[in-house]
Amino acid sequence: DSGVTQTPKHLITATGQRVTLRCSPRSGDLSVYWYQQSLDQGLQFLIQYYNGEERAKGNILERFSAQQFPDLHSELNLSSLELGDSALYFCASSRGTGELFFGEGSRLTVL
Amino acid sequence: GQQVMQIPQYQHVQEGEDFTTYCNSSTTLSNIQWYKQRPGGHPVFLIQLVKSGEVKKQKRLTFQFGEAKKNSSLHITATQTTDVGTYFCADRTSYDKVIFGPGTSLSVIP
Repeated sequence: DSGVTQTPKHLITATGQRVTLRCSPRSGDLSVYWYQQSLDQGLQFLIQYYNGEERAKGNILERFSAQQFPDLHSELNLSSLELGDSALYFCASSRGTGELFFGEGSRLTVL
Repeated sequence: GQQVMQIPQYQHVQEGEDFTTYCNSSTTLSNIQWYKQRPGGHPVFLIQLVKSGEVKKQKRLTFQFGEAKKNSSLHITATQTTDVGTYFCADRTSYDKVIFGPGTSLSVIP
């Protein structure tokens, strides 16, 4: 158990819809990272927050947005969903420049 | 921009054979990390390398950071079926943006 909690574990929705993925980092970790992993693909960096502030952006689509709340949990919002958005979305947290602790991921299926 | 490459993409080995995956960057890295993702699982941290030429061992796993800090390798001696998974290197140079290589998927034939 990494200590990072992601919900929901699985999500099936239709094209054009909007979903929200939630992540609770490990206790004491101020940084939250979001990654997208498509089938048999690597980990694509989406966005990173530190103590409520956006610090880095990767290849995140304009249809996607995220935020980190005062209690440090984070949400990734995906809108106008397309078939190609089907993927595993991972959240990770860290303290400093140490290891990333990953959650178990949220598997999104867009039909 | 930041880019980390890994080879090979896939590797199939007979149980007991050795395995090596290589990670290369076009820029100098200050830190590099290695992660393992089992099938159906999430990435799990293995190790972090910081110093030029650093070599670290974890049982049958040997990690190396190149002298120029632009490449790294992970070597597994005498693979076991428990080694199956995808091994990723990650550029930890930036605090904020952690970029992963595409990974090497290891299959072990019993």
